[in-house]
Amino acid sequence: GAVVSQHPSWVICKSGTSVKIECRSLDFQATTMFWYRQFPKQSLMLMATSNEGSKATYEQGVEKDKFLINHASLTLSTLTVTSAHPEDSSFYICSARLAKKPNEQYFGPGTRLTVT
Amino acid sequence: GESVGLHLPTLSVQEGDNSIINCAYSNSASDYFIWYKQESGKGPQFIIDIRSNMDKRQGQRVTVLLNKTVKHLSLQIAATQPGDSAVYFCAENFSGGYNKLIFGAGTRLAVHP
Repeated sequence: GAVVSQHPSWVICKSGTSVKIECRSLDFQATTMFWYRQFPKQSLMLMATSNEGSKATYEQGVEKDKFLINHASLTLSTLTVTSAHPEDSSFYICSARLAKKPNEQYFGPGTRLTVT
Repeated sequence: GESVGLHLPTLSVQEGDNSIINCAYSNSASDYFIWYKQESGKGPQFIIDIRSNMDKRQGQRVTVLLNKTVKHLSLQIAATQPGDSAVYFCAENFSGGYNKLIFGAGTRLAVHP
């Protein structure tokens, strides 16, 4: 149980376009989902916390108008990278937290974004 | 031995040896800690966790030690195997406050036959 999926697993887009990444909790309801970004040979950096039905809370330095997060249901959150640039190329990872177990957080497999 | 790479320090061990990976956490108020294993191109995989009211917890082949005085965590892997080669991250959470996982810098474990 407690499986989190991401789609797509990898995507290549042209500079200036937007790309949407989906994060789904497959067998549980997640009131909270998190989005992380990971550059090569670096750690996971939290971008934002997404609560179902409310606006996401962004970490300092993360542009909310560039990284649009929507958490429309208890099993789906989306991250849209708008007007992507090569410096946005990274590994994006989501995680989902069980509603009744705040210390249990499950990670998706990640999405590799390459902006050309 | 240990060496510092571009960003991630690397711990190189022989197969069968015990490995010790260290982590310094940042927030003295953190009350929950987790070790994750990340293989190349994949998401983090849960290994073991520990709450701040404990100083040691054992799992299968792994042990986590917590020293709150110096804000230090360690992960011990017994009889290290080639399949243990990966990057290991510690993460901290303050459930009564910010309630989100903050990741440490990570250590690459390289196991040689």
